[in-house]
Amino acid sequence: KAGVTQTPRYLIKTRGQQVTLSCSPISGHRSVSWYQQTPGQGLQFLFEYFSETQRNKGNFPGRFSGRQFSNSRSEMNVSTLELGDSALYLCASSEGTTGGYTFGSGTRLTVV
Amino acid sequence: DQQVKQNSPSLSVQEGRISILNCDYTNSMFDYFLWYKKYPAEGPTFLISISSIKDKNEDGRFTVFLNKSAKHLSLHIVPSQPGDSAVYFCAASSAGGTSYGKLTFGQGTILTVHP
Repeated sequence: KAGVTQTPRYLIKTRGQQVTLSCSPISGHRSVSWYQQTPGQGLQFLFEYFSETQRNKGNFPGRFSGRQFSNSRSEMNVSTLELGDSALYLCASSEGTTGGYTFGSGTRLTVV
Repeated sequence: DQQVKQNSPSLSVQEGRISILNCDYTNSMFDYFLWYKKYPAEGPTFLISISSIKDKNEDGRFTVFLNKSAKHLSLHIVPSQPGDSAVYFCAASSAGGTSYGKLTFGQGTILTVHP
């Protein structure tokens, strides 16, 4: 069974630009969550999608948004990038009930 | 407000000995706890979990203990191996409602196992 796939692995963007990250969950998993990892703040929850609907959202500004497609693939978008958005962005998928989440390898975003 | 805390930033043990990683939580709504292992530039890898209806769960060399009254859980690794060297994260979740998909992580503990 293929794991959670995130693309691209690395990305360099300039302040003010926008970026879109992609996540393909494990086959059959309908829940996709996104996390931001930074050295200072650790792993922080961004949002979760289930069957194309956002069910939960963390404490991030509106510049961070996402969506989920009918095949459960998810995208995350960050607009008007700031230097502080430099981080490892992780996607996790699960079947949708409480339980374990399988993480992808992440996308390393660097904003210059 | 850090709801999940791992107070030890690092732990160093000798190969073959026991590693004990600790985690405390403050939110009494948490009912499911997980441990993840992480290498740099990779996503966390699930190790073991425990539901709040249990106080112990074992999987091979890994055992997680939960003390609900103390809001404390620990991960025991026996015997420790050099390949166990990584960052270990404790995470917690609660069922349904506004908690869907949300894991609350501790800050992590760097485990180093010396040969």
